[in-house]
Amino acid sequence: ELKVEQNPLFLSMQEGKNYTIYCNYSTTSDRLYWYRQDPGKSLESLFVLLSNGAVKQEGRLMASLDTKARLSTLHITAAVHDLSATYFCAGRTYYTDKLIFGTGTRLQVFP
Amino acid sequence: NAGVTQTPKFQVLKTGQSMTLQCAQDMNHEYMSWYRQDPGMGLRLIHYSVGAGITDQGEVPNGYNVSRSTTEDFPLRLLSAAPSQTSVYFCASSYNLQGANTGELFFGEGSRLTVL
Repeated sequence: ELKVEQNPLFLSMQEGKNYTIYCNYSTTSDRLYWYRQDPGKSLESLFVLLSNGAVKQEGRLMASLDTKARLSTLHITAAVHDLSATYFCAGRTYYTDKLIFGTGTRLQVFP
Repeated sequence: NAGVTQTPKFQVLKTGQSMTLQCAQDMNHEYMSWYRQDPGMGLRLIHYSVGAGITDQGEVPNGYNVSRSTTEDFPLRLLSAAPSQTSVYFCASSYNLQGANTGELFFGEGSRLTVL
């Protein structure tokens, strides 16, 4: 059964700084997802990574996937307050229809 | 653009009561799923369906029933509510998770359930 672990669980960072959220998964996964959740809100899709070495960028966020290391990263560049949210990664093992989520990383960006 | 619609948004139950959380999507998605979200636990998959008439168990299915009689609807039933089922429940849908489809999930707004 796929297990997905994120770290850190909580991240407090200053505006303008860079940081990385890590997502490790336990068994072979053929795709990896990143979602964002604002407090009290639903989840919205950020990135879908479908192959080894995939890299996607949107604004100050960049996600990558290394299937050999079973690792995905979400890199934040020059953080701004609007990025404050909880970020989840999720994976799917080959040929299953179960999307398994990590515990989430709560990001707080302060001035 | 309705997307994924969940009702009710809030519900308070007493232990032992039953209820159904409704989920409907208007995107003609084959795949639908239910998650529960608890503090520090992330989202955990309860049940999912890959099409009308087909359902399967997720990570935490005990205490919950589902059915999928139409493509659009995927209700979640609590037969005898327990305090441990106090949570926020999210319904999500996708075209499907196989082949060339990305499997990106579209989420409803959530249903907050409290069991006393």
